[in-house]
Amino acid sequence: QVQLQQSGPGLVKPSQTLSLTCDISGDSVSSNSAAWNWIRQSPSRGLEWLGRTYYRSKWSNNYAVSVRSRISIKPDTSKNQVSLQLSSVTPEDTATYYCVKEGSDTFDIWGQGTMVTVSA
Amino acid sequence: QSVLTQPPSASGTPGQRVTISCSGSSSNIRSNYVYWYQQFPGTAPKLVIYRDNQRPSGVPDRFSGSKSGTSASLAISGLRSEDEADYYCATWDSSLNGWVFGGGTKLTVL
Repeated sequence: QVQLQQSGPGLVKPSQTLSLTCDISGDSVSSNSAAWNWIRQSPSRGLEWLGRTYYRSKWSNNYAVSVRSRISIKPDTSKNQVSLQLSSVTPEDTATYYCVKEGSDTFDIWGQGTMVTVSA
Repeated sequence: QSVLTQPPSASGTPGQRVTISCSGSSSNIRSNYVYWYQQFPGTAPKLVIYRDNQRPSGVPDRFSGSKSGTSASLAISGLRSEDEADYYCATWDSSLNGWVFGGGTKLTVL
């Protein structure tokens, strides 16, 4: 049974970098049949896909246009986890962030969500 | 503003059939599968329809999905109080090279 356990600070100051980690159990971050996504949700923006990383003989990423210049999603094979870094945050980045496994072609496993507030 | 357009709200009485629409474009809905998620307050979304019209195991057959051109729909028949939730459509956008979501529809069971 795949489980995703998220960790990271709930409060980030404006202009700083938001960093979250997702520990994967029951599957491998290097799986050839999965992709590891970050999705956020806020009352003003609804559900917003941020990006993903996946391994298919080599590592690849896709990022949403809205955050492409500020985002980095990286796997850590030694810890079997995936991380999210979002730089130069503003109050608009306040949201609940989810780590999500993408299976054969859908988001089938979600982390517990991390509420992140951007405020001084 | 979301790439996919959904009505912000929908409602029905117990036993009725309700339909929620999702409108997109040729680069997303027309070209790729549509997925529907159900979300209750304070919880993560849960898949109720995949690949346009397939139901995951455990999802009642009261839930059905369809697609035509650049639009998709989720239908819930025999409406029950426990269906009251937010519903989101999602699909891959081949031009944006990423996943896109609808803005969500809040379903109220009167």
